[in-house]
Amino acid sequence: QLQLQESGPRLVKPSETLSLTCTVSGASIASNSFFWGWIRQPPGEGLEWLGAIYHTGYTYYNPSLNSRVTMSVDTSKNEFSLRLSSVTARDTAIYYCARQPATARFYPGAGDFWGQGTLVTVSS
Amino acid sequence: DIRLTQSPLSLSASVGDRVTITCRASQDISNDLNWYLQKRGEAPKLVIHTASSLHSGVPSRFSGGRSGPDFSLTITNLQTEDVGTYFCQQSYFPPATFGQGTRVEIQ
Repeated sequence: QLQLQESGPRLVKPSETLSLTCTVSGASIASNSFFWGWIRQPPGEGLEWLGAIYHTGYTYYNPSLNSRVTMSVDTSKNEFSLRLSSVTARDTAIYYCARQPATARFYPGAGDFWGQGTLVTVSS
Repeated sequence: DIRLTQSPLSLSASVGDRVTITCRASQDISNDLNWYLQKRGEAPKLVIHTASSLHSGVPSRFSGGRSGPDFSLTITNLQTEDVGTYFCQQSYFPPATFGQGTRVEIQ
């Protein structure tokens, strides 16, 4: 059974960089036809898609993040990562990783498997 | 970005009821509309993908439909385990966007 698990610091200081890793088990991250995405949810609020990466390194990012986001993939470790720079309190959220099958036009599709999420707080 | 507007934002119904949630897209998104259920304290789980396809393992009392720019999620025979917040999401064109969410409660 496919499982995803987020890991990384739970507390980040303002202006620093948030870094999270999603470890995938039960399937190869190098499988064709799947993007690997990040979604976040501020406490009590809605969902925001941050972006997604293909195993070749091809990425889609949400422009609302103003180029603060970088995603990478390590197929040897079967994991992918998120970096969000210059964080503020508005970046405090539960961060989820998810598998997103590619659509016919090679866009990230529905998130069919999700990690449990990890709460990251931005505070000094 | 493509905007998704859900209605209602909350509803209360009885066990066994039929409930329908609507999601309207700000532009044509073909059938690239997905529905998720998020229970309290959990990650969202996929219910319906591409407007009307039931995700693996999801009970058949869930169904999805489309009429022009309006997409619907219908739960027939509402059960207590269906309580939570339902989100629609478009995957037609990046960035993927979500609706505001609809909270479903049992009265």
